[in-house]
Amino acid sequence: DAGVIQSPRHEVTEMGQEVTLRCKPISGHNSLFWYRQTMMRGLELLIYFNNNVPIDDSGMPEDRFSAKMPNASFSTLKIQPSEPRDSAVYFCASSPQGQGARAFFGQGTRLTVV
Amino acid sequence: ILNVEQSPQSLHVQEGDSTNFTCSFPSSNFYALHWYRWETAKSPEALFVMTLNGDEKKKGRISATLNTKEGYSYLYIKGSQPEDSATYLCASTNAGNNRKLIWGLGTSLAVNP
Repeated sequence: DAGVIQSPRHEVTEMGQEVTLRCKPISGHNSLFWYRQTMMRGLELLIYFNNNVPIDDSGMPEDRFSAKMPNASFSTLKIQPSEPRDSAVYFCASSPQGQGARAFFGQGTRLTVV
Repeated sequence: ILNVEQSPQSLHVQEGDSTNFTCSFPSSNFYALHWYRWETAKSPEALFVMTLNGDEKKKGRISATLNTKEGYSYLYIKGSQPEDSATYLCASTNAGNNRKLIWGLGTSLAVNP
């Protein structure tokens, strides 16, 4: 398996533009997580899905952020409009069935909003 | 404890030294404790998942212990090597259907050759 695949790896965009980050989880994994990593706050969980259904989105910063998982093999995280403070590395992770199952992370998308 | 806390925040050791660091987590409603290793410019990789009080896990020179009653876990590295330099993250999950990992901020380890 190729692991969790994220795209793009790097994104530079202007303030106000829409940004869409993409994630393909490992086949067979039923949970998918979106994280944001910053120097100040470390790894923050934004939202996670179980069987394509959003379970906990309490970490989503504000209405500018939205996430979808239309099927078991694809998820998007959208920021509209983007702001400079959104600059961070965004990680997607997936894990198989069962509590305590470890998460497998993608390589991350480094977002810079100028 | 309401959050996952790790100490120390950073650590510098010499090659060959053994070292350890601590993760404290909420002990009430506990389900599992995860340790991850995160190298610079890479993504976090799981080291261990532990669920039972007294669990000990080992992977090469790295081992971990778990005390769920008092809410702490130790990670030990024996004979540190430069390639062990990374940030070591721990995360806990609570019982029930919630699979949300609560993350600590990590311990950054630098091993000098």
